[in-house]
Amino acid sequence: AQTVTQSQPEMSVQEAETVTLSCTYDTSESDYYLFWYKQPPSRQMILVIRQEAYKQQNATENRFSVNFQKAAKSFSLKISDSQLGDAAMYFCAYRRYNNNDMRFGAGTRLTVKP
Amino acid sequence: DVKVTQSSRYLVKRTGEKVFLECVQDMDHENMFWYRQDPGLGLRLIYFSYDVKMKEKGDIPEGYSVSREKKERFSLILESASTNQTSMYLCASSSTRLLNTEAFFGQGTRLTVV
Repeated sequence: AQTVTQSQPEMSVQEAETVTLSCTYDTSESDYYLFWYKQPPSRQMILVIRQEAYKQQNATENRFSVNFQKAAKSFSLKISDSQLGDAAMYFCAYRRYNNNDMRFGAGTRLTVKP
Repeated sequence: DVKVTQSSRYLVKRTGEKVFLECVQDMDHENMFWYRQDPGLGLRLIYFSYDVKMKEKGDIPEGYSVSREKKERFSLILESASTNQTSMYLCASSSTRLLNTEAFFGQGTRLTVV
């Protein structure tokens, strides 16, 4: 089974600063999807950003961007201009192209300091 | 908007009880999933279903079973609840037709087995 590793159990950032959350994954597939999910204290998992492996261009959604390094099997999330509302658990996830199930990392708890 | 609804937000059950966790989605998604979320372990896949009456084991199916009699509903069953099944349970759904879309999650059920 594919594995997803998030090596940072906890991260902290000052409000308005930039933070990068790390994710690596293990796969022998060439086509797949990668996702970052946010889980605030309300527990509702929300998609932050997605990346298709066949696209070389890194995905961007407003203050959120990824650094996708396919050869290194790395998929980090950069949050710019951090806001208090960004405080949450962040999960990296992998989904094979022609498969239905999604695999998650252990999560990184992000704290935003005012 | 996609809505995935879990029947209970909190549950307290006794050891040995048969427990049913219900999940309903309203977007006609083919795939439905049950995950278990524990601190430091992230989300682990228990079972998923890609069609009515179809199911596949995930990474940790022991002690659980599932039922999908209708497309919109996916039930997780703990045949004889044990204290090590105390956890957060998350239901999710996704589309097979739109492979690049993410999974959508319910709010989670925090189950305590005493």
